Amino acid sequence: EVQLVESGGGLVQPGGSLRLSCAASGFTFSDYSMNWVRQAPGKGLEWVSYISSSSVSIYYADSVEGRFTISRDNAKNSLYLQMNSLRAEDTAVYYCARVTAATFSAFDIWGQGTMVTVSS
Amino acid sequence: DIQMTQSPSSLSASVGDRVSITCRASQTINSYLNWYQQKSGKAPKLLIYAASTLQSGVPSRFSGSGSGTDFTLTISSLQPEDFASYYCQQSYNTPRTFGQGTKVEIK
Repeated sequence: EVQLVESGGGLVQPGGSLRLSCAASGFTFSDYSMNWVRQAPGKGLEWVSYISSSSVSIYYADSVEGRFTISRDNAKNSLYLQMNSLRAEDTAVYYCARVTAATFSAFDIWGQGTMVTVSS
Repeated sequence: DIQMTQSPSSLSASVGDRVSITCRASQTINSYLNWYQQKSGKAPKLLIYAASTLQSGVPSRFSGSGSGTDFTLTISSLQPEDFASYYCQQSYNTPRTFGQGTKVEIK
């Protein structure tokens, strides 16, 4: 079964750090680009970051640029999001999502999400 | 950044109704438009990509149309399991922006 499973969420104080992980299974992880997408409580979806299959291309949303770092370990079938200098507005469910192999680059497989709460 | 605007933000409909949701991009995105369904407390699910291509396993009552800046998601006959939120997303460039969502509720 094709699957993505996030972990690493939790409660952190403003200014703190957290590292999210996304474990992939059921497909050849190294063939696919990946993303992080977040959703604040009661709000819509916000794209956070993208990494290409070989880590050559990396992009961030302006809201997290300079604070978050996306990475991957293809040998471990894992995607990561290092989050530093966290703010209350970073509170959200964080999803990892796979980019389709097709040209139009939709997000075809999503994890179940991990909740990050930034609060004192 | 490309802004994606969905309408309506919410709608009430009955089982069996035909429902349409529109999505407008702030600039042309050709056919780089995707639709997702999200049920409460669950991850989003890809329904349609490339504006009109049905993702594998998605019921044929869902369809998408449009190109350029104006797009439509149509559910031909609303089923109980279709009550959810729907999001459009452009994959023309980065950042991959989403619409604000449309919540489909039971009338």
